[in-house]
Amino acid sequence: QSALTQPASVSGSPGQSITISCTGTSSDVGAYNYVSWFQQHPGKAPTVVIYDVSTRPSGVSDRFSGSKSGNTASLTVSGLQAEDEADYYCMSYTRISAWVFGGGTKLTVL
Amino acid sequence: QLQLQESGPGLVKPSETLSLTCTVSGGSISSSSYYWGWVRQPPGKGLEWIANIYYTGSTYYSPSLKSRLSLSVDTSKNQFSLILSSVTAADTAVYYCARRQSGSGYIDSWGQGTLVTVSS
Repeated sequence: QSALTQPASVSGSPGQSITISCTGTSSDVGAYNYVSWFQQHPGKAPTVVIYDVSTRPSGVSDRFSGSKSGNTASLTVSGLQAEDEADYYCMSYTRISAWVFGGGTKLTVL
Repeated sequence: QLQLQESGPGLVKPSETLSLTCTVSGGSISSSSYYWGWVRQPPGKGLEWIANIYYTGSTYYSPSLKSRLSLSVDTSKNQFSLILSSVTAADTAVYYCARRQSGSGYIDSWGQGTLVTVSS
């Protein structure tokens, strides 16, 4: 199983919105609504910001939103803040009862 | 408050076996609501899903690691463990244990991670 495809980096200015894509196949992203997004700051464990495509856990800012179309899922961060600068990973369930991560995207707040 | 804590050797020799344990506190590993698992991250690289285990002992492994991997659960100790055999330098990584809600992609709790280095 191959890793999901994410852009290596995205950037935006404070207050702007950015979107990170996560492209898989009809055997993972396209097959299930089990796509999660994780934020990871340097030296820290990841934390979830979106799960099951578009569900935001309590305590996560409503500036984070998720969606999916076909084999591609997306994470949008609106009203960028300095604290949003981090690495972001998507994860999906797959038809072989395994999970797969994306390669990760570094978000830079300019 | 749920806490997960990884433990095990920080240094393993090539071709030997890596063994890690995750101790769960503040919650029961026997809950039917969760799966328990491992994720690793080589230095400077991305996350890789390793495997999940249910409290009944049902396991789900990464296809790329399956031949070298074994997970087990000890409900009496509220722990689950990972064994990875025939390690190479490519297995050097921070290993995280985590809890995922059943029927969901929601990983709601992570350990702090433990660095395992494979080197002679």
